[in-house]
Amino acid sequence: GAVVSQHPSWVICKSGTSVKIECRSLDFQATTMFWYRQFPKQSLMLMATSNEGSKATYEQGVEKDKFLINHASLTLSTLTVTSAHPEDSSFYICSARDGREMNTEAFFGQGTRLTVV
Amino acid sequence: AQKVTQAQTEISVVEKEDVTLDCVYETRDTTYYLFWYKQPPSGELVFLIRRNSFDEQNEISGRYSWNFQKSTSSFNFTITASQVVDSAVYFCALSESLNNAGNMLTFGGGTRLMVKP
Repeated sequence: GAVVSQHPSWVICKSGTSVKIECRSLDFQATTMFWYRQFPKQSLMLMATSNEGSKATYEQGVEKDKFLINHASLTLSTLTVTSAHPEDSSFYICSARDGREMNTEAFFGQGTRLTVV
Repeated sequence: AQKVTQAQTEISVVEKEDVTLDCVYETRDTTYYLFWYKQPPSGELVFLIRRNSFDEQNEISGRYSWNFQKSTSSFNFTITASQVVDSAVYFCALSESLNNAGNMLTFGGGTRLMVKP
């Protein structure tokens, strides 16, 4: 299947700093990427949907000014957690959809475990 | 609104036992996709199966089998002769079609399966 690479796999940052997470589609063009968040022992919740070249669509309750999403190219989307706080500690995972394929699932990255201290 | 319910939060079995993970979904869409993913302790999501709403044929893949019952809105997953390596959290998920299998997913709460030797 197609490969989606997410970086970093884990990060520890100080409260108040910003952290950028990258999601890359390695062998296909990702017209749409999805960002999910998973708190410990909970399920995955969609945060936002980003389409290449346009503004992301955020789910209800997700602060767009805090979670900045950029999808400037067909192979890269970034999620920046601004002014991170301990309650932002979570597992963040992206998925990407191949724009040429209508009948395949979106492919997930490996996830990023963020710990804010 | 879409909803996926995995009533079993944790299941513990002894190796070689068969185990069934339940999944019940709600959607107003007539066309949709159902998925199962495995999430080992490392966190990445391992894709197991995708099924579209028009295909009610049950599927078997090695020790894994899936039972899709549209009449009861269920998509249950059975592991035969379970092994310790099957220990993980399993998620059932649903996406609306919009003529594309790669849409955002609504996840169930997950079932933590522990297989003891």
